[in-house]
Amino acid sequence: DIQMTQSPSSLSASVGDRVTITCRASQSVSSYLNWYQQKPGKAPKLLIYATSTLQSGVPSRFSGSGSGTDFTLTISSLLPEDFATYYCQQSYSPLYTFGQGTKVEIK
Amino acid sequence: EVQLVESGGGLVQPGGSLRLSCAASGFTFNRNAMTWVRQAPGKGLEWVSTISGSSTYNAASVKGRFTISRDNSKNTVYLQMNSLRADDTAVYYCVKERAIRGVIDFFDYWGQGTLVIVSS
Repeated sequence: DIQMTQSPSSLSASVGDRVTITCRASQSVSSYLNWYQQKPGKAPKLLIYATSTLQSGVPSRFSGSGSGTDFTLTISSLLPEDFATYYCQQSYSPLYTFGQGTKVEIK
Repeated sequence: EVQLVESGGGLVQPGGSLRLSCAASGFTFNRNAMTWVRQAPGKGLEWVSTISGSSTYNAASVKGRFTISRDNSKNTVYLQMNSLRADDTAVYYCVKERAIRGVIDFFDYWGQGTLVIVSS
């Protein structure tokens, strides 16, 4: 199975900060990398698919980049509603796998 | 509006069985792969099983114990869970997949989840 590793596992940031989360795959997943946001007690929500395509309705302060094994999710200017846990997920293999998550907390 | 409504969760003893159901509406059900994802208390997301057409895929942690199936006439996907263990305790989410050009797959809609507790 393809292992997905996110870093950091958690981070503290302030409103207005630029935040970058990294996701690394144990083997190439080409551009088949998706990002989800989850808030406490809620189901995850799709943010970005195929590395860099924003899901409809997702604000443009979110962006994704990368290819092969290394990917990033960037929030250009953090808003209060962005404090949540973020997960990457590969869909290169039909045996899908998620990263362990990155919790973005308020500093 | 896409809706995914899970049911069937609850408390079950170790070694027992449970069947989860997910009733879907608001999209052409038989054209989409469907997936179950679980989340243990305080933990991250874990992909469990996917059904795409007549093909099924399972995580190693559930292979041989869980079976995913679907009834397109009822717009419903199921997860039959046998030989349940304590580490199967989790919220189980029903998830709709979207495929673009047949290769770009992602989870675009999630149900609210159903809690399964495996305990004596």
